[in-house]
Amino acid sequence: EPEVTQTPSHQVTQMGQEVILRCVPISNHLYFYWYRQILGQKVEFLVSFYNNEISEKSEIFDDQFSVERPDGSNFTLKIRSTKLEDSAMYFCASGAGNSNEKLFFGSGTQLSVL
Amino acid sequence: AQSVTQLGSHVSVSEGALVLLRCNYSSSVPPYLFWYVQYPNQGLQLLLKYTSAATLVKGINGFEAEFKKSETSFHLTKPSAHMRDAAEYFCAVSEPGGYQKVTFGTGTKLQVIP
Repeated sequence: EPEVTQTPSHQVTQMGQEVILRCVPISNHLYFYWYRQILGQKVEFLVSFYNNEISEKSEIFDDQFSVERPDGSNFTLKIRSTKLEDSAMYFCASGAGNSNEKLFFGSGTQLSVL
Repeated sequence: AQSVTQLGSHVSVSEGALVLLRCNYSSSVPPYLFWYVQYPNQGLQLLLKYTSAATLVKGINGFEAEFKKSETSFHLTKPSAHMRDAAEYFCAVSEPGGYQKVTFGTGTKLQVIP
């Protein structure tokens, strides 16, 4: 089965630093997503991306966050100035677009902000 | 807005016993419903989905779930638990006709006791 790949698997950063989380979605998928899971809490939707623009974002996705598909294969999540509360597991997902089909999730990047 | 509620953040069963993980949904339209599983240090993997066809849905690893509109439920069951079933299970909902954004429940951690 095709896979969504995320790098790095773990990222440790200092508060206030910028981080970029990288994802390679499945090649023929058109919709891309970022979700996050704070330890002990539920998986929360951050943002969806289609046709090179954000199609929907949650309240969590404030001005500190941005997404980009720089080269047609990678899909990145940037956090400009990390806060302690940004520590979480970040999941990338991709899908073909039909809501009755499953999303393919990557194995996540564990972000620790110190 | 759609949502799912999972009753019980932790469930413990003995190996060989019935597994029952509860999920109730709230939706203004008949939803699509999913169960995802997260094994330790791994990403989210689809177990099964309901997309308005048969109300009893069979998934991977011997799991199944039944969509009950009258009870707004989509409980996950497995007749006989195995040690490898120990994981966190997430119920999720998406809107038919929309794109693939899913909304997750808070998750249920399943412990299997030998």
